[in-house]
Amino acid sequence: EPEVTQTPSHQVTQMGQEVILRCVPISNHLYFYWYRQILGQKVEFLVSFYNNEISEKSEIFDDQFSVERPDGSNFTLKIRSTKLEDSAMYFCASSGSTYNEQFFGPGTRLTVL
Amino acid sequence: RKEVEQDPGPFNVPEGATVAFNCTYSNSASQSFFWYRQDCRKEPKLLMSVYSSGNEDGRFTAQLNRASQYISLLIRDSKLSDSATYLCVVPGGGTALIFGKGTTLSVSS
Repeated sequence: EPEVTQTPSHQVTQMGQEVILRCVPISNHLYFYWYRQILGQKVEFLVSFYNNEISEKSEIFDDQFSVERPDGSNFTLKIRSTKLEDSAMYFCASSGSTYNEQFFGPGTRLTVL
Repeated sequence: RKEVEQDPGPFNVPEGATVAFNCTYSNSASQSFFWYRQDCRKEPKLLMSVYSSGNEDGRFTAQLNRASQYISLLIRDSKLSDSATYLCVVPGGGTALIFGKGTTLSVSS
C-alpha cells in the first residue's frame, strides 16, 4: 500500500539554525500539506501546496517557513531560524484532490535547544 | 474562527464494551468529515470518512447530524487494540483540515 514517508524521524537543532524537513508524498497525489503537533496539543495546519505553489497557509506559517518541491518526488519544509517554540512533531500529508482524504506520514520530531 | 470540539475523555472501558464519541463543528459549509485514529507519538491514520448522513465499517459507525453540526463515532465490541486517541476532523473551507483535540480511549481486559 502506498504511503507518505518522511526524513529524518528526529531532528535536534540549536535555536537560530535552519532545518529542512523532507517528505515523499504518495506518488499519484497532487496536493501536499504540512501540519504540526506540539506535544500534548492538537494537530495544526501549516500550509498546502499544489501545482508548485502555495494554495493556503495558516497564521503559523510566517516568513520563517518555506516549502518547496525540488524534484518530482520530494516535498520539503524549511524553517530558516528555529525558535524554541518550533519544537513539535511535523507531519507531511498528501491527497489526490482537495476533496479527498489526506494521508499522513510518520512525522519528524523537531527538538530546538 | 472554525473550531472542532470533542468530548475530552479519557474513556476507560472493558473489552467488549460499546463506546461513543461526540464532536461538534462550527463550519456549517463542510461537506465531508473524517475520523482519524492517533496512537501515542504516531501520525493520524484515517479511520472513516463521512460524506452523507453516516458510514459504517465493521465495528465502527459514524453518524452525522448537519442541522446540529454534530458527528459521532460508535465503536462496538471494543478490542484492546482500539486503545488510541480518536480525532474528529473537518475541512476548514479551503484545503486545510481542522482537527479536534481528540478523545482518548483505553480498553482494558
